[in-house]
Amino acid sequence: RKEVEQDPGPFNVPEGATVAFNCTYSNSASQSFFWYRQDCRKEPKLLMSVYSSGNEDGRFTAQLNRASQYISLLIRDSKLSDSATYLCVVNSASKIIFGSGTRLSIRP
Amino acid sequence: DGGITQSPKYLFRKEGQNVTLSCEQNLNHDAMYWYRQDPGQGLRLIYYSQIVNDFQKGDIAEGYSVSREKKESFPLTVTSAQKNPTAFYLCASSPKGEYYGYTFGSGTRLTVV
Repeated sequence: RKEVEQDPGPFNVPEGATVAFNCTYSNSASQSFFWYRQDCRKEPKLLMSVYSSGNEDGRFTAQLNRASQYISLLIRDSKLSDSATYLCVVNSASKIIFGSGTRLSIRP
Repeated sequence: DGGITQSPKYLFRKEGQNVTLSCEQNLNHDAMYWYRQDPGQGLRLIYYSQIVNDFQKGDIAEGYSVSREKKESFPLTVTSAQKNPTAFYLCASSPKGEYYGYTFGSGTRLTVV
């Protein structure tokens, strides 16, 4: 089992839709969690940290479920510009582990 | 503006050749990292350095070498021993200590010809 797993997608949704995807992690002692966004052939950029209480940044909401060992990212009112690959990152015993990413495509 | 600069953006390597990828940062970050990304895969750590003149192997260090003579610079050499070097190489930096997220350079795309 991979240490961090993501559904590769692609998720293909219409503009304005709400879309959510999860990321599971294997080490229950993992300490911190993040979502990065990566555009095609570009570097990843930090989108948001994920806190135990959940956190929201505009149209984006991140949640952590420690009991089931997954984090989620919810995007509301999706825009064409949200099309990208979303990488889940887990800090596990001071080792930073990247998921392979979920591809999201927003259609007009 | 502070940031990380990687060069070149594209690099072509012949079989049996060593090539060096440049990474420079002016963020005053102590820690620097090299990652490799292959299509459909997550980033894999090649080498990292927490302080000048010190560096550690990551998960896939074989066939690569690094140096950290200056805080701002962390070049990566892809040697002829790396049998499958075609990939997207990303350099990142962060402040020392607890992880709050990396700043990445724009990457170097290496192709073997």
